[in-house]
Amino acid sequence: DTGVSQDPRHKITKRGQNVTFRCDPISEHNRLYWYRQTLGQGPEFLTYFQNEAQLEKSRLLSDRFSAERPKGSFSTLEIQRTEQGDSAMYLCASSSDRLSGNTIYFGEGSWLTVV
Amino acid sequence: AQSVTQLDSQVPVFEEAPVELRCNYSSSVSVYLFWYVQYPNQGLQLLLKYLSGSTLVESINGFEAEFNKSQTSFHLRKPSVHISDTAEYFCAVLNTDKLIFGTGTRLQVFP
Repeated sequence: DTGVSQDPRHKITKRGQNVTFRCDPISEHNRLYWYRQTLGQGPEFLTYFQNEAQLEKSRLLSDRFSAERPKGSFSTLEIQRTEQGDSAMYLCASSSDRLSGNTIYFGEGSWLTVV
Repeated sequence: AQSVTQLDSQVPVFEEAPVELRCNYSSSVSVYLFWYVQYPNQGLQLLLKYLSGSTLVESINGFEAEFNKSQTSFHLRKPSVHISDTAEYFCAVLNTDKLIFGTGTRLQVFP
């Protein structure tokens, strides 16, 4: 069990460019979450998947954001036409609804800086 | 909707002193509550959780939290802190399969 893996860990991009983050959840976990965290704040929920189905999206997830989990395994989060306000850490997490405890495990996060 | 409030944004404390980080939740139904810790430039690590049963839950590194239904609280405590406990601590509630976090409390331990 290697835990939740995120790539890249750091990304610097120019305003207006597109960026994509990848998340590999813990292998037996069927739920996958994306959160955003800005400096000095708690993580804010963006969206989550159960298997390949996207079950909920926050209103924070504007039209420039899209998340996919095509085969129910890894997931990608794409941000189009980045803005400086998108600078944040993007956290991925996973859990299983078949295991007791409802524990959600987080990855190390992907830092995005938009200049 | 369920939510949590962390009353202190920063808590400075000297090494070996006791500490309490406060968390209050709002919910009219059964709650699942969590404390996560975040060290600088890292993701979140689960510290402890309350799902049901005993209202006092403990972590492996000496932290404990008590679920208090009458006060709608889930405060985190440690009787003697170490320098290495310096981190950001987040209280969270499980709301329809997703976690809702508080704004966090920065614990700063001084020698």
